[in-house]
Amino acid sequence: GENVEQHPSTLSVQEGDSAVIKCTYSDSASNYFPWYKQELGKGPQLIIDIRSNVGEKKDQRIAVTLNKTAKHFSLHITETQPEDSAVYFCAASILGGKLTFGQGTILTVHP
Amino acid sequence: DVKVTQSSRYLVKRTGEKVFLECVQDMDHENMFWYRQDPGLGLRLIYFSYDVKMKEKGDIPEGYSVSREKKERFSLILESASTNQTSMYLCASSLPTGVNEQFFGPGTRLTVL
Repeated sequence: GENVEQHPSTLSVQEGDSAVIKCTYSDSASNYFPWYKQELGKGPQLIIDIRSNVGEKKDQRIAVTLNKTAKHFSLHITETQPEDSAVYFCAASILGGKLTFGQGTILTVHP
Repeated sequence: DVKVTQSSRYLVKRTGEKVFLECVQDMDHENMFWYRQDPGLGLRLIYFSYDVKMKEKGDIPEGYSVSREKKERFSLILESASTNQTSMYLCASSLPTGVNEQFFGPGTRLTVL
């Protein structure tokens, strides 16, 4: 089955800096890669996703890049703000199939 | 807005007790999922369901069972709770095909003493 590895497990940045979280996956058949954000006391919420026919996708301050050859994808957050502090999960699946999640990254943005 | 609710935010049970965790979604989603979340392990799929009365094992089904008698409700059952089942349990729902976004409930933190 699919295996997703996520790094780093914790990330601390100053407000205004950029943050990058990286994931690798094992199943070359996977073609859907979402990122979820979990705020304290809440369930995870989808923030951005990418499909395998696209190399990069942006939505305001967040972007995701995908390298299918190397089987890795990354989340980039620019101009970080304290409200970006949360746990971030990457995941992989065949579109329509079950998601396999990474281990999570605790992002802390210091004012 | 999609809303997924879970019956309890916090639950404390004794070893050997039968435990029911309930999840209800209000968006007529076909798919429902149960995950457990543990530090350093991420979200791991316990069971999922694509339709009423239908269930599929996830990656860690041992010690758990599920029930889906109505489309909006998906229950997770711990037949005989053990201390290693102390965890955060998250329920999610999604549409059946195409868009894969899963909508999560707030979670139930279960402690088994």
